[in-house]
Amino acid sequence: GAGVSQSPRYKVAKRGQDVALRCDPISGHVSLFWYQQALGQGPEFLTYFQNEAQLDKSGLPSDRFFAERPEGSVSTLKIQRTQQEDSAVYLCASSRGAPPGNTIYFGEGSWLTVV
Amino acid sequence: KNEVEQSPQNLTAQEGEFITINCSYSVGISALHWLQQHPGGGIVSLFMLSSGKKKHGRLIATINIQEKHSSLHITASHPRDSAVYICAAHETSGSRLTFGEGTQLTVNP
Repeated sequence: GAGVSQSPRYKVAKRGQDVALRCDPISGHVSLFWYQQALGQGPEFLTYFQNEAQLDKSGLPSDRFFAERPEGSVSTLKIQRTQQEDSAVYLCASSRGAPPGNTIYFGEGSWLTVV
Repeated sequence: KNEVEQSPQNLTAQEGEFITINCSYSVGISALHWLQQHPGGGIVSLFMLSSGKKKHGRLIATINIQEKHSSLHITASHPRDSAVYICAAHETSGSRLTFGEGTQLTVNP
C-alpha cells in the first residue's frame, strides 16, 4: 500500500486479555517506530526497529509489552494481560532511513480500549 | 517540566488570521518535526527542520537552535486548518522522538 497500515483500527479487550496490533510499514522503509498516545496527550515513544533489529525498547512500559519485526517489514506489538491503563491509541510510524534526517510517516493508529 | 513544550495549548482564530504556534525544547536535538493530527488519530508530517526556515504553501516553520525554539506559522488560516499541531524533537542521543502535548487549533469561518 501507499502508506503505513495498521490493524485492527479499533480493539476492545477485556482486562487480562492478550492483544496483538499489526503494522505494515511503507515498503522498503528501514526504520519502524511504535508510539502510545493516551487521550489528550502527545504520543510517547515505545520502541524502534531498524530492519529486524530492535535497537531501542526503552519506552516499553512493562514486561507485558513486546514488539517484534522478524523479517524487517511487518511489525507486531503484543500486550499481555491487558490493564485499563493500557487504553490508548498505538501509533506505528516508518521512515526510509535511520533517524534523524528522514521524514516519518505515521499510520492511523490502533485504538485500544480495555474494559 | 516536559522536555518539549508547546504554547498555546488551545487556539481559536477567525478565518484569514495569521497563526503562530510555539515550541520550546530542553534537550539536544538533531531535528525537529511539526506534525498535524486530525480527529481519528491520523498524523501527517508537515516539516522536518534542523536549522533556519521552511515554507510549504501557507505554512512556515522556523527554528532557532541557540534559543531551542521553533515556531509554526499559518498564513490566511482556513477552517480546514483546524487540527492538533504537534512539535516533536529528535534527540541527538538516540532514535526516539519526544513529542509536545500538541496545540488544538480551531479556525472559525
